[in-house]
Amino acid sequence: GAGVSQSPSNKVTEKGKDVELRCDPISGHTALYWYRQSLGQGLEFLIYFQGNSAPDKSGLPSDRFSAERTGGSVSTLTIQRTQQEDSAVYLCASSLHGNTIYFGEGSWLTVV
Amino acid sequence: ELKVEQNPLFLSMQEGKNYTIYCNYSTTSDRLYWYRQDPGKSLESLFVLLSNGAVKQEGRLMASLDTKARLSTLHITAAVHDLSATYFCAVPGGGGGSNYKLTFGKGTLLTVNP
Repeated sequence: GAGVSQSPSNKVTEKGKDVELRCDPISGHTALYWYRQSLGQGLEFLIYFQGNSAPDKSGLPSDRFSAERTGGSVSTLTIQRTQQEDSAVYLCASSLHGNTIYFGEGSWLTVV
Repeated sequence: ELKVEQNPLFLSMQEGKNYTIYCNYSTTSDRLYWYRQDPGKSLESLFVLLSNGAVKQEGRLMASLDTKARLSTLHITAAVHDLSATYFCAVPGGGGGSNYKLTFGKGTLLTVNP
């Protein structure tokens, strides 16, 4: 596609429920990133995928968070047993060779 | 731990004026990114600065990088209302020797008044 596509764009969920956020990177981009943006914490790195290499999961805040990337393309970020502090904008980005990194429009998550 | 500091965090300026946003970072890096974010929108890539002394210009914005001083500047010339947004700088190298994890500054909220 023309840009990084994310869905859903908005999600309101009840505390304790699981959510899945999807990212479709720019075609051909080998690197895929997830970031989180919240008022209190700014922009935080979550996870990085590069080709077939093992992902760097060092930014995931707890074991309730997981992500996978299937076929080197689409990625899903899963948050289990959501908490109110998980409310944030989840941004996906992709790049080729690590130069310009393109961000998607984000998934706005609200946990009530 | 890599720290990225932007200043000012809030900038209110009049149309037609010039100003500079500063981005300092704490550890060695050979590249730096500038992004723009409009309210409720995602991050739009403005510049990727890839080497010491790099200077890039797009319209009324010009960015430069001094890797020795660990400093980048974003200069705004003759500001117009359409430049109102939040500007972020970001530096790769968030730890563990990674050169892909971006550490972002807190952002500079720019408001250009008529």
